[in-house]
Amino acid sequence: QTVVTQEPSFSVSPGGTVTLTCGLSSGSVSTSYYPSWYQQTPGQAPRTLIYSTNTRSSGVPDRFSGSILGNKAALTITGAQADDESDYYCVLYMGSGVVVFGGGTKLTVL
Amino acid sequence: QLQLQESGPGLVKPSETLSLTCTVSGGSISNSSYYWGWIRQPPGKGLEWIGNIYYSGSTYYNPSLKSRVTISIDTSKNQFSLKLSSVTAADTAVYYCARPKRGLGDYVDYWGQGTLVTVSS
Repeated sequence: QTVVTQEPSFSVSPGGTVTLTCGLSSGSVSTSYYPSWYQQTPGQAPRTLIYSTNTRSSGVPDRFSGSILGNKAALTITGAQADDESDYYCVLYMGSGVVVFGGGTKLTVL
Repeated sequence: QLQLQESGPGLVKPSETLSLTCTVSGGSISNSSYYWGWIRQPPGKGLEWIGNIYYSGSTYYNPSLKSRVTISIDTSKNQFSLKLSSVTAADTAVYYCARPKRGLGDYVDYWGQGTLVTVSS
């Protein structure tokens, strides 16, 4: 069973930059996995941030960016704001119509 | 503006079948560019993909749930449905319906608000 790995938690200072990563229990993440990223605040449905590695969804500010860093997908938030405090999930496409969610990263802005 | 709305019982007994429907408004469920899917989130835990369906009826399921899941579609009603059989307390979760875009990793571009289903006797 493929496991998609994310940092359980991360913290960033207001105005700072943070990079969250998304890896595989076995192997490297590449653009072929079409990594996507979702933001979720408590009690709310997720919001789509990034798809196909680095394409921002409509209305997402450009301080959110996606990339491949080494063997992982990455979500970078530049100039973190208080309302960026959320859970962030990555999703990898495994082929044959199957996707897998990572366990999520809880981001604290303080 | 596309809207997705989940509906169904909020309480299901163990060993029974969980049934939910998602009603799509503001767009056609027969749009060939999209799948229609279900994702769930147990209380305090992460998101889990359940499966997707295409308007033609083709389905794609999470291998870990495949034996218990059936997703169906009714294009005449612009609705799709989820059935999860033999439920246990571990199936207690908020269930989201969603619209994955075909291609580019089938990312979700629209989400329903979610509905909590509790499995308990």
